[in-house]
Amino acid sequence: GAGVSQSPSNKVTEKGKDVELRCDPISGHTALYWYRQSLGQGLEFLIYFQGNSAPDKSGLPSDRFSAERTGGSVSTLTIQRTQQEDSAVYLCASSLAVGLNTEAFFGQGTRLTVV
Amino acid sequence: QKEVEQDPGPLSVPEGAIVSLNCTYSNSAFQYFMWYRQYSRKGPELLMYTYSSGNKEDGRFTAQVDKSSKYISLFIRDSQPSDSATYLCAIKNSGGSNYKLTFGKGTLLTVNP
Repeated sequence: GAGVSQSPSNKVTEKGKDVELRCDPISGHTALYWYRQSLGQGLEFLIYFQGNSAPDKSGLPSDRFSAERTGGSVSTLTIQRTQQEDSAVYLCASSLAVGLNTEAFFGQGTRLTVV
Repeated sequence: QKEVEQDPGPLSVPEGAIVSLNCTYSNSAFQYFMWYRQYSRKGPELLMYTYSSGNKEDGRFTAQVDKSSKYISLFIRDSQPSDSATYLCAIKNSGGSNYKLTFGKGTLLTVNP
């Protein structure tokens, strides 16, 4: 596709269940990022992938959160034993390279609601 | 203190007004300054970027950076209803984590016809 694609667009889950969020970056983009956007906190960095490896996982809020990327393309963010405070919009972005003047393109996000 | 502070608004203006959106930051290592626009239920899209103090103009939009005051602004001239969105400032630092965007919380702007 032409842009970053995320699925599902919306996800409602019960507290304690595991969820998987998927990101398809722009073809050829080696760098991939996950951010979380929640009311009151704004947009926060979660994790950065370069190819299939994640040199920076510093933004993951707890060990219930994990992410992987395969084939240098698709990435999955997994949240185990979801809590109500996990409710947020999870945004994925990709860029052709990394550096100060490299533009990151965002998907439209997955809106997660934990009930 | 958060690294980037932005007044969340909301801001409501009549069509044709000049809009001023502002952020302050605390880290002197921040070197690259961006403004993103986010429509409701969409992802952020890059509007403007700059890396030096001074003004940068693009059509109706002007980005301004004052590194001595650690203050950045976005001005929108002749605002249109289609400009109604959340505007986010974002900053990158020049060190090893120059891939990471640090965002303000965003300002919700409504331009009324």
